[in-house]
Amino acid sequence: GDSVTQMEGPVTLSEEAFLTINCTYTATGYPSLFWYVQYPGEGLQLLLKATKADDKGSNKGFEATYRKETTSFHLEKGSVQVSDSAVYFCALSAYSGAGSYQLTFGKGTKLSVIP
Amino acid sequence: NAGVMQNPRHLVRRRGQEARLRCSPMKGHSHVYWYRQLPEEGLKFMVYLQKENIIDESGMPKERFSAEFPKEGPSILRIQQVVRGDSAAYFCASSLGGQVAYNEQFFGPGTRLTVL
Repeated sequence: GDSVTQMEGPVTLSEEAFLTINCTYTATGYPSLFWYVQYPGEGLQLLLKATKADDKGSNKGFEATYRKETTSFHLEKGSVQVSDSAVYFCALSAYSGAGSYQLTFGKGTKLSVIP
Repeated sequence: NAGVMQNPRHLVRRRGQEARLRCSPMKGHSHVYWYRQLPEEGLKFMVYLQKENIIDESGMPKERFSAEFPKEGPSILRIQQVVRGDSAAYFCASSLGGQVAYNEQFFGPGTRLTVL
């Protein structure tokens, strides 16, 4: 079945450091790819998405490029802030074969940014 | 412009009791998804519903779990005779459409179920 693998955390960075969170996927179809962010005690919020190969999703200084040849969707930010501390989930959406386009998530990467 | 609402936010049940989790989708959304997040794990799909219909329940355990999305009122995820392994965070998401891969799903804050 479909799966998403993302780098294990936790990741601790100093403010203004460069961030990369690796994400690779396996899918039988042609999925759309997403990054979601979860702040403590809250639900998931969509951070960015890409729907086809070579698309770049971007939002709030975060970027990720859909790489079909390497089946990857790595998240990057040039200069992290304390407010970026959260858990980040990589996810794909593909047809389940049972009537829905469901999200398949990675396990999440916890990011802590220290001043 | 309320987002997806879930209640209760926290629910404690003893083994053998029933748990009912409610989800009100965003206004205008008629597609609802339920996901479960076990400790230290990502979210796992459980079920996808449209108004009055279960479309895909391939992620739902075969026994004790059921879901509905009536014509009026919230979607309900029901767990009968809860066991300790049911302790998890249950998230509901809604979307405007449901039949394409790039539809954004909007998530509620989750219900954290603890089974004693």
